[in-house]
Amino acid sequence: DTAVSQTPKYLVTQMGNDKSIKCEQNLGHDTMYWYKQDSKKFLKIMFSYNNKELIINETVPNRFSPKSPDKAHLNLHINSLELGDSAVYFCASSQVLGGADTQYFGPGTRLTVL
Amino acid sequence: KNQVEQSPQSLIILEGKNCTLQCNYTVSPFSNLRWYKQDTGRGPVSLTIMTFSENTKSNGRYTATLDADTKQSSLHITASQLSDSASYICVVSGMDSSYKLIFGSGTRLLVRP
Repeated sequence: DTAVSQTPKYLVTQMGNDKSIKCEQNLGHDTMYWYKQDSKKFLKIMFSYNNKELIINETVPNRFSPKSPDKAHLNLHINSLELGDSAVYFCASSQVLGGADTQYFGPGTRLTVL
Repeated sequence: KNQVEQSPQSLIILEGKNCTLQCNYTVSPFSNLRWYKQDTGRGPVSLTIMTFSENTKSNGRYTATLDADTKQSSLHITASQLSDSASYICVVSGMDSSYKLIFGSGTRLLVRP
């Protein structure tokens, strides 16, 4: 009965490879997010989708491409991985976009680029 | 520049003791402030959410306060337990883009027996 799930939990890969991280939420929420948590533990928003429509696209390299096949899924594809992409990536969802709505986070995917 | 700063960076207390974590922000105009708890290796979990009209909110042994005039918030933990060991993150959103959350770097709390 996991609310927000991500796969894989750990991802170790070589520089230059392409990889994907999947996220699914079973809360019936309209909005989903991708966050990056760096080594200093700061969480920064990367993307937000509302009803499968891209709403937030922060200054993230074009190598990162989110895809939302339906409201319950928001996947993150990363091309040509670089060392600096190593971080923990969190998916989250909320009922609506904006306001004081609670965001529910997934367990995170630790990406290590060698 | 919109920022959220937390203090202390880390804190060690004995089980059963109380503690208070601080958060200062410069986000303006202000929409709401959240406190999250993040256990090691897990995603953040929401503890409280306060809008500008609220100055205190409780969730069990956690009590958050907000002073929108001085742009300060605190999270008070009462009768700490070993399971309170985690990072506590203050998050603020502004009125102009309330869906964009600005995260502090967190306070790492260790509760010792």
